[in-house]
Amino acid sequence: AQKITQTQPGMFVQEKEAVTLDCTYDTSDPSYGLFWYKQPSSGEMIFLIYQGSYDQQNATEGRYSLNFQKARKSANLVISASQLGDSAMYFCAMREGSTGGFKTIFGAGTRLFVKA
Amino acid sequence: DGGITQSPKYLFRKEGQNVTLSCEQNLNHDAMYWYRQDPGQGLRLIYYSQIVNDFQKGDIAEGYSVSREKKESFPLTVTSAQKNPTAFYLCASSIGRDWVNEQFFGPGTRLTVL
Repeated sequence: AQKITQTQPGMFVQEKEAVTLDCTYDTSDPSYGLFWYKQPSSGEMIFLIYQGSYDQQNATEGRYSLNFQKARKSANLVISASQLGDSAMYFCAMREGSTGGFKTIFGAGTRLFVKA
Repeated sequence: DGGITQSPKYLFRKEGQNVTLSCEQNLNHDAMYWYRQDPGQGLRLIYYSQIVNDFQKGDIAEGYSVSREKKESFPLTVTSAQKNPTAFYLCASSIGRDWVNEQFFGPGTRLTVL
């Protein structure tokens, strides 16, 4: 069963506007971490933001925020004030406590295009 | 600057040959990982290592081998037994094995089998 689902293969956003990238997950483990990574065309994966399953508040890091809805098992990434440099692939990922944290499960990704 | 280096960036191999991908980190991280990425897909775990002289198979270990003789180094060998080795390979590390720890990634090696 697919544990991380990103339903948007591609998204377009106008520069300076906000965009939401969707991510739903599936786990029965009460302890888990959710991560978002950015992958530019160069290929390197860049860590953006983390949300723990026990965190009461939504995580924020600069222009990135995570809309964490635990009951719905969703962890959407919100990018505010989009910039041309935000054009990249974005991956949602999860690490479960029961596997000792070693297995990070990645979604298929969403390609974001920022238009000038 | 601390980080993860991978070499080479591009690698070409003839069918039937083994090839070794290098991964070095100076972050003093205990855990290291190897992932494979195919076009348009997410990452899949090949091998991981918690500490020196210890490593475990991931989801797609067949046709690959690793070693962890030093904390900072985790080379991956793609053997001739790997049936479809052409892919993008990413090495990563994390400070520990807890699920709260993010992974830091290297720049990747793109392997093409001719």
